[in-house]
Amino acid sequence: EPEVTQTPSHQVTQMGQEVILRCVPISNHLYFYWYRQILGQKVEFLVSFYNNEISEKSEIFDDQFSVERPDGSNFTLKIRSTKLEDSAMYFCATGGRRNEQFFGPGTRLTVL
Amino acid sequence: GEDVEQSLFLSVREGDSSVINCTYTDSSSTYLYWYKQEPGAGLQLLTYIFSNMDMKQDQRLTVLLNKKDKHLSLRIADTQTGDSAIYFCAEAPQSGNQFYFGTGTSLTVIP
Repeated sequence: EPEVTQTPSHQVTQMGQEVILRCVPISNHLYFYWYRQILGQKVEFLVSFYNNEISEKSEIFDDQFSVERPDGSNFTLKIRSTKLEDSAMYFCATGGRRNEQFFGPGTRLTVL
Repeated sequence: GEDVEQSLFLSVREGDSSVINCTYTDSSSTYLYWYKQEPGAGLQLLTYIFSNMDMKQDQRLTVLLNKKDKHLSLRIADTQTGDSAIYFCAEAPQSGNQFYFGTGTSLTVIP
């Protein structure tokens, strides 16, 4: 069964550094999403991406965040200057149609 | 904004039925979902229900939707130890792309 994959599984970084989290969507999926889950809290929406542009973003997704599909397959989330409070699990989700979201295993980001 | 609530913990004995409950606030929700998260893993889509349905059954899983009370439940029949996980309900509003998740219910199955 096709799956969404994410790399790395765990990323440790120093505060102020840039990180790039990568997601490989299920083939032929057109809708892409990033969510995060701070330890002990709810899964929170960050951004959705369709037709090579952001279709919706939350208040969390400020100027330090960006997304792109650099090669038409991978879907990346870049955090420009990480803060301690960015430590969380980051989940990528993809869907073949709206209202369908299949999640990857997540990347655990630890900011020191 | 939309609010989705779940109780945090549930323990059941192996072989019994589990019922996990969820309430939501957005009456325009089109789809409601149940996801399962095992330790160290991502969110696995278990089942979903369209908002004009009252019930959906899929093998051991039964989803009940009370749209008037904005209440969603997931019943797992003959619960097994492998069902131990965190279960999230999520709603998809009519407008927008994001899903709104509950806090998750941690199900522990006692052998």
